Amino acid sequence: ETGVTQSPTHLIKTRGQQVTLRCSSQSGHNTVSWYQQALGQGPQFIFQYYREEENGRGNFPPRFSGLQFPNYSSELNVNALELDDSALYLCASRQRGGPTDTQYFGPGTRLTVL
Amino acid sequence: DAKTTQPNSMESNEEEPVHLPCNHSTISGTDYIHWYRQLPSQGPEYVIHGLTSNVNNRMASLAIAEDRKSSTLILHRATLRDAAVYYCILRRGSNYKLTFGKGTLLTVNP
Repeated sequence: ETGVTQSPTHLIKTRGQQVTLRCSSQSGHNTVSWYQQALGQGPQFIFQYYREEENGRGNFPPRFSGLQFPNYSSELNVNALELDDSALYLCASRQRGGPTDTQYFGPGTRLTVL
Repeated sequence: DAKTTQPNSMESNEEEPVHLPCNHSTISGTDYIHWYRQLPSQGPEYVIHGLTSNVNNRMASLAIAEDRKSSTLILHRATLRDAAVYYCILRRGSNYKLTFGKGTLLTVNP
């Protein structure tokens, strides 16, 4: 059984640029959530995707968007990057309706905006 | 979302038990108590969860107060690999999102 994987592991961008982060969900999982974790803080929920549609969103502006593909993998896109977008971006997958509803996290992508 | 309160940090010695407290005085009847931990340079990892009764698994035990306003995560024998930030989270019913606080940084001394 393969766990949640994310790519790239690190990324450096400049203010105003756009970035795409990728996530492969754990085998058998149909739901993907994205979280942003600033340094020294707990992760903050960005949004969740289920059946290729956004299924809930946290307090993040529309320049944060995502996609989910038929194989349940997902992308997080951030437009017009700001310095405060520098953070660890975490992807988590789960089996909606499964026996435990536990979320499994990937190792994250560290984004630095200069 | 109901709020949880945890100590910022705790320290333990290797091979001793660790009791990590969490207060959640505004918990509602449908809130599940979840614990995740985050090791350095890794994503959060599920530890345990419960609703009303105490729970045990291979990683830890969860003791839930009778009024459910507090809970305690118990690591029976701490190892150096247990050094991490531990998050106590309330998840309401079928709600999907996890609302993390700052957690408790556990240091384990050899």
